[in-house]
Amino acid sequence: AQSVTQLDSHVSVSEGTPVLLRCNYSSSYSPSLFWYVQHPNKGLQLLLKYTSAATLVKGINGFEAEFKKSETSFHLTKPSAHMSDAAEYFCVVITNTGNQFYFGTGTSLTVIP
Amino acid sequence: DTGVSQDPRHKITKRGQNVTFRCDPISEHNRLYWYRQTLGQGPEFLTYFQNEAQLEKSRLLSDRFSAERPKGSFSTLEIQRTEQGDSAMYLCASSPPRGWEQFFGPGTRLTVL
Repeated sequence: AQSVTQLDSHVSVSEGTPVLLRCNYSSSYSPSLFWYVQHPNKGLQLLLKYTSAATLVKGINGFEAEFKKSETSFHLTKPSAHMSDAAEYFCVVITNTGNQFYFGTGTSLTVIP
Repeated sequence: DTGVSQDPRHKITKRGQNVTFRCDPISEHNRLYWYRQTLGQGPEFLTYFQNEAQLEKSRLLSDRFSAERPKGSFSTLEIQRTEQGDSAMYLCASSPPRGWEQFFGPGTRLTVL
């Protein structure tokens, strides 16, 4: 079985400071992992994906994530938060058949001006 | 706009009524998914189509729910005898033949009174 756990339901940072959103996964095989962002009243947008190539993955809007097998983690980071980053972020693992996405419960990011 | 589209965006219905939602995937995407998202939660998988074949269904998809993708293009999700617990955002996503990332539509928000 596969699952993801997002360790923080809410994260608050000041504009211009680093962002860290934590995600741990559980999988019986080498997983494919994703981060999606959901802005209010907008659809889910893919930020980045890990599919067993480079362990450090760069995404859109300056976000990146590092796959650490020893820690079963896939944390999302950004060096400097922008007001427009305020949104809900979801860590996602996909089944080995590619048929199902399992979403975490989400982390709400607040950026303080 | 060539993204995933969903119709309607909002639906208010009375308990016991039937509702039908439509999803138009990105053209040439052969895989299509339905999810349900309730407030404060991540999306939960409902069902998956590859072309016109429904290959996987979640246990969340009770007998009152049915989904079709008759020609392998658009899909419909019908809920019969709606209940208040069906109130949620219903999301559709599609994937290309190669690659695992899913592209999401804006969702249909269902409110059952």
